[in-house]
Amino acid sequence: EADIYQTPRYLVIGTGKKITLECSQTMGHDKMYWYQQDPGMELHLIHYSYGVNSTEKGDLSSESTVSRIRTEHFPLTLESARPSHTSQYLCASSEGGLETQYFGPGTRLLVL
Amino acid sequence: GDSVTQMEGPVTLSEEAFLTINCTYTATGYPSLFWYVQYPGEGLQLLLKATKADDKGSNKGFEATYRKETTSFHLEKGSVQVSDSAVYFCALSDPFGGSQGNLIFGKGTKLSVKP
Repeated sequence: EADIYQTPRYLVIGTGKKITLECSQTMGHDKMYWYQQDPGMELHLIHYSYGVNSTEKGDLSSESTVSRIRTEHFPLTLESARPSHTSQYLCASSEGGLETQYFGPGTRLLVL
Repeated sequence: GDSVTQMEGPVTLSEEAFLTINCTYTATGYPSLFWYVQYPGEGLQLLLKATKADDKGSNKGFEATYRKETTSFHLEKGSVQVSDSAVYFCALSDPFGGSQGNLIFGKGTKLSVKP
């Protein structure tokens, strides 16, 4: 079973607040990803990382930022949350670029 | 660019019915193909995969065969259970497709199985 964790699982926050969604994995995987999942279920890649100090933008433009200071940790930050950021955010990791991705349970974000 | 098209849902079946969820793909190179499943309130988990033409992936009674000639990877199960109710995603990974080998997902198919 994959060991990838996301906190918080649910977050309700007001417009303009700064938030950080946490993602950690204990598998030593190099590559990590953030996806945004809309209510219609479709997944959009918003950020990924090849390893420490590497961050790349995904297919969907996002106002969020990420950092990768440690292999196991890949937090996502929104400097000023807006209602349009309301969504589910899924973190994933893989051993290499073409390997199976393991997903965390997700964070459901509601911005009022 | 590469893409994945899967049948739209929702799909509603009775328990023990036969399941097929169609998936076709467009790819530049020689992709690996995946089916992921998302149970309610959870993240995605790998259901099965195939890495080359004619490979058959199988798991938990589900199976899918990589058909290069029809660019398809249809998911099948002979007898579904209520516990199979979930959203199913077809995906590909193509190192030569301009997506840096990242997964490209279909839009998902929601399956509901009634007792």
